[in-house]
Amino acid sequence: DAGITQSPRHKVTETGTPVTLRCHQTENHRYMYWYRQDPGHGLRLIHYSYGVKDTDKGEVSDGYSVSRSKTEDFLLTLESATSSQTSVYFCAISGLAGGFGTDTQYFGPGTRLTVL
Amino acid sequence: TQLLEQSPQFLSIQEGENLTVYCNSSSVFSSLQWYRQEPGEGPVLLVTVVTGGEVKKLKRLTFQFGDAKKDSSLHITAAEPGDTGLYLCAGVGPGANNLFFGTGTRLTVIP
Repeated sequence: DAGITQSPRHKVTETGTPVTLRCHQTENHRYMYWYRQDPGHGLRLIHYSYGVKDTDKGEVSDGYSVSRSKTEDFLLTLESATSSQTSVYFCAISGLAGGFGTDTQYFGPGTRLTVL
Repeated sequence: TQLLEQSPQFLSIQEGENLTVYCNSSSVFSSLQWYRQEPGEGPVLLVTVVTGGEVKKLKRLTFQFGDAKKDSSLHITAAEPGDTGLYLCAGVGPGANNLFFGTGTRLTVIP
């Protein structure tokens, strides 16, 4: 258990509403990631962070924004949710503080989001 | 996008049978990882292979990295119901956002 929690674990929302997912770690890892998982696509990177206030886009970043104001928290926001954003969202962490993004990523339990 | 294709996408076998899952790409990776994911949980790392041609064994699981470092395979001997899950390969590239996941193989082992 790498000390990663995600909240909420399940959420149902309506098209057009804003949604924020939270990832919290207790491991002091430098890198944090948000992925979405859809059938037939594996996991696809949305955004990642390489430090407090340092973030960058991944493969499928359109419609998503992120923020990291503290080492332990990484927030994913859907400004105006759409049905195509219905998915399971995973947070991951890697790289102990002071090091580089190591190859091993540790994943949280996931958040199942349904946009009606 | 560095696409990783896994085959088969679904596999259902009887307990005790052997199976092989393949992970193929046109891209070269510095190393390759295999993860297993159970329902309602995040993926968990099983192994990392680094050297072209490398073979690693984890009990009944054998992982091989292709000589050209573009593909990999996972072989399970005498499958057990506990092996049931989603198997994901992930190519490791340069940089912090450095994992490129395959499409996944969902394995069901029937008792």
